[in-house]
Amino acid sequence: ELKVEQNPLFLSMQEGKNYTIYCNYSTTSDRLYWYRQDPGKSLESLFVLLSNGAVKQEGRLMASLDTKARLSTLHITAAVHDLSATYFCAVDPSRDNYGQNFVFGPGTRLSVLP
Amino acid sequence: AAGVIQSPRHLIKEKRETATLKCYPIPRHDTVYWYQQGPGQDPQFLISFYEKMQSDKGSIPDRFSAQQFSDYHSELNMSSLELGDSALYFCASSLKPSGAYEQYFGPGTRLTVT
Repeated sequence: ELKVEQNPLFLSMQEGKNYTIYCNYSTTSDRLYWYRQDPGKSLESLFVLLSNGAVKQEGRLMASLDTKARLSTLHITAAVHDLSATYFCAVDPSRDNYGQNFVFGPGTRLSVLP
Repeated sequence: AAGVIQSPRHLIKEKRETATLKCYPIPRHDTVYWYQQGPGQDPQFLISFYEKMQSDKGSIPDRFSAQQFSDYHSELNMSSLELGDSALYFCASSLKPSGAYEQYFGPGTRLTVT
């Protein structure tokens, strides 16, 4: 059974600082997704990582995937208050071309303080 | 661009009542997923449909059932509601095979059981 872990679960950081959120998963997968969720809101897609070594950047966020280590990172550069939210990684456990339901990590609740 | 539509957005029911949640996927998407998210929890997969056939099943209680109709919209039927069913229910849609297998989430239905 696929298990997805995130570290840390809670993160409080000062504006302007850098930090990395880690996502580990237990079985082989080449598809990993990062979502952002504001309280009571839907899940907003941030990054789609589909191969080993994939790196994507959008604004102050950069995500990478190491399928051999079963590890993805979400790096935050020069954090601003607007980044405060819960960040989920999700893994697609399927090995065919049709995809399956996602298994989500527990989420990292990020608070960026002024 | 059109997004996933869910209705109702909020629903209050009493214990032992029934509820029906509706999901309208993004046009031309052929797969629908249902997730349940309890307070402070990560989304848990319930059930999915591909081309109107059930394709995968997760932790969906026997009291719940779902189907996908000819126009690809889906309904989640919940009977004998319990207090523990209070949660956000998300529908997501995707297009298989699309390469990215990305799931697009709707705004969610907040169900409160009293």
